[in-house]
Amino acid sequence: DGGITQSPKYLFRKEGQNVTLSCEQNLNHDAMYWYRQDPGQGLRLIYYSQIVNDFQKGDIAEGYSVSREKKESFPLTVTSAQKNPTAFYLCASSIDPKRFQETQYFGPGTRLLVL
Amino acid sequence: GQNIDQPTEMTATEGAIVQINCTYQTSGFNGLFWYQQHAGEAPTFLSYNVLDGLEEKGRFSSFLSRSKGYSYLLLKELQMKDSASYLCAVTTDSWGKFQFGAGTQVVVTP
Repeated sequence: DGGITQSPKYLFRKEGQNVTLSCEQNLNHDAMYWYRQDPGQGLRLIYYSQIVNDFQKGDIAEGYSVSREKKESFPLTVTSAQKNPTAFYLCASSIDPKRFQETQYFGPGTRLLVL
Repeated sequence: GQNIDQPTEMTATEGAIVQINCTYQTSGFNGLFWYQQHAGEAPTFLSYNVLDGLEEKGRFSSFLSRSKGYSYLLLKELQMKDSASYLCAVTTDSWGKFQFGAGTQVVVTP
């Protein structure tokens, strides 16, 4: 089955620690995205990548980093510089971001909690 | 700036109809999406509108008025499984960047 997988489902971070959230897709989609979701707020874009080896900052990139070395993979690192990382993190992909009628497909999410 | 507004919560009874409104003020418009999201799960695609008018898909319909910056999602014959958050999202930039509303929590009661 084609889809997007995220791991782990739950992640605990200690103060001062970097953690990496995994996102893999086998849909052969060009574009991938990372969103953060907090209670009562809409999804906010952290980073996006339209093509391999290229990525751009979204609206709330501070304290996060990404890489896109393979088309299938777009890992997100939450660094110690992110002071309020507790949130639900969603990865998404789309076949071609310039085809506006195409939806983004979302992974099941990772819930990050700070110890 | 970008602004997308939806009501926070709506309650309706099983079998009834509920209309979720979304108003937007964005720089650029390439279409409007509606997603359904159950608690702790991924959003799933419901509809896409880019032209004015009504799109019907089974029990769900979505309407768009570009001149008014307004859309609604209509849920008919409500079922308990329709209890979820409904997200309105507008695509803006040339590469299709999404701007999401905060979501409307729909509670269906027996």
